Amino acid sequence: QKEVEQNSGPLSVPEGAIASLNCTYSDRGSQSFFWYRQYSGKSPELIMSIYSNGDKEDGRFTAQLNKASQYVSLLIRDSQPSDSATYLCAVNPFSGGYNKLIFGAGTRLAVHP
Amino acid sequence: DGGITQSPKYLFRKEGQNVTLSCEQNLNHDAMYWYRQDPGQGLRLIYYSQIVNDFQKGDIAEGYSVSREKKESFPLTVTSAQKNPTAFYLCASTFGGNNEQFFGPGTRLTVL
Repeated sequence: QKEVEQNSGPLSVPEGAIASLNCTYSDRGSQSFFWYRQYSGKSPELIMSIYSNGDKEDGRFTAQLNKASQYVSLLIRDSQPSDSATYLCAVNPFSGGYNKLIFGAGTRLAVHP
Repeated sequence: DGGITQSPKYLFRKEGQNVTLSCEQNLNHDAMYWYRQDPGQGLRLIYYSQIVNDFQKGDIAEGYSVSREKKESFPLTVTSAQKNPTAFYLCASTFGGNNEQFFGPGTRLTVL
């Protein structure tokens, strides 16, 4: 059973702080990793994708991938109240077939002023 | 504007009825997907299609059916065989071998 695990939260951080979201996955052959943001009642929005070990930065967001330890993380710098949402981690398992993603249940982030 | 549209936004179904959820995309994406999301849970794959006239079952296909007669359209039918259909249904698409999936706005289905 391929799994993607996330802490459900809520993760509460003050405005301006760094929020750190973590995700672990079970399939060692996984190749592609994604972070989606989902506001309450809305559909997921892709915010980051990462394919190789290391860091990938895009504005206030940094995705970090460590395939040896089978975890991927998302850092949000200078957190804003508008960042309050559920963040979904998604993984394409190597043996899962073409373009199939396995989603974690999400971590709820609350940024308070 | 390019994007993925889903309709209706809200849908109410009586017990024993079949209902069809629409998903259309004008992004020229090859692959399309249907997911179901229940409160506090992640997305679960119902069906996916990589090319026209071909589709595969996902993890929870029982009680659902799909068709892919056109590249732009991937409708989902929730049949009376689906025992607990109340959920948020999300359609997604992706271009070729790129795994980045983009989602439509979703349809919230409630069984009365």
